[in-house]
Amino acid sequence: GAGVSQSPSNKVTEKGKDVELRCDPISGHTALYWYRQSLGQGLEFLIYFQGNSAPDKSGLPSDRFSAERTGGSVSTLTIQRTQQEDSAVYLCASSLGPGQETQYFGPGTRLLVL
Amino acid sequence: TQLLEQSPQFLSIQEGENLTVYCNSSSVFSSLQWYRQEPGEGPVLLVTVVTGGEVKKLKRLTFQFGDARKDSSLHITAAQPGDTGLYLCAGHRNNQGGKLIFGQGTELSVKP
Repeated sequence: GAGVSQSPSNKVTEKGKDVELRCDPISGHTALYWYRQSLGQGLEFLIYFQGNSAPDKSGLPSDRFSAERTGGSVSTLTIQRTQQEDSAVYLCASSLGPGQETQYFGPGTRLLVL
Repeated sequence: TQLLEQSPQFLSIQEGENLTVYCNSSSVFSSLQWYRQEPGEGPVLLVTVVTGGEVKKLKRLTFQFGDARKDSSLHITAAQPGDTGLYLCAGHRNNQGGKLIFGQGTELSVKP
């Protein structure tokens, strides 16, 4: 079956513009995660959705970052008024359920803010 | 400060050599995972260890979870060029749902 997909695969934007990044999780997976990865580095947790529960937003770096998950499936990560330090790879993952289920990652969206 | 300290960050070795990557923390983790990531792709899970002192083997890769569940290691025997990639450790902590805390990663290059 299809894995986690993300779009766009690459995004170049100008400082101050808003961007939307999309994640399509594996069908039937109730948990969805967003992470950020700087060049050659480990991943930094951003936000976590589990079913109909309130999302865990504890990793969002500023109020310019927000995310939603519609209908328990597709998720959109929005970055408003982008800054150069927002340049990174944004990775989405999904898992069957909450807790320590295996997370399956998408290929990421490479964001470059000029 | 990094909750999971991974070392070394870069490793360049010759084919056939052995290597060990370390992942250390002052905090207890309910489980530790190791991932491998290729350029342009997301991380792929290699193994999960959940019990203190646990050792798991995956072909030439040996994973160990420390007795106190604060550290882990990945040992590769007779490295091959196909082992080249970014290796990441990541842990789950109790009462934090499914979110993973990642180490900084180890960029491994195995030269033929």
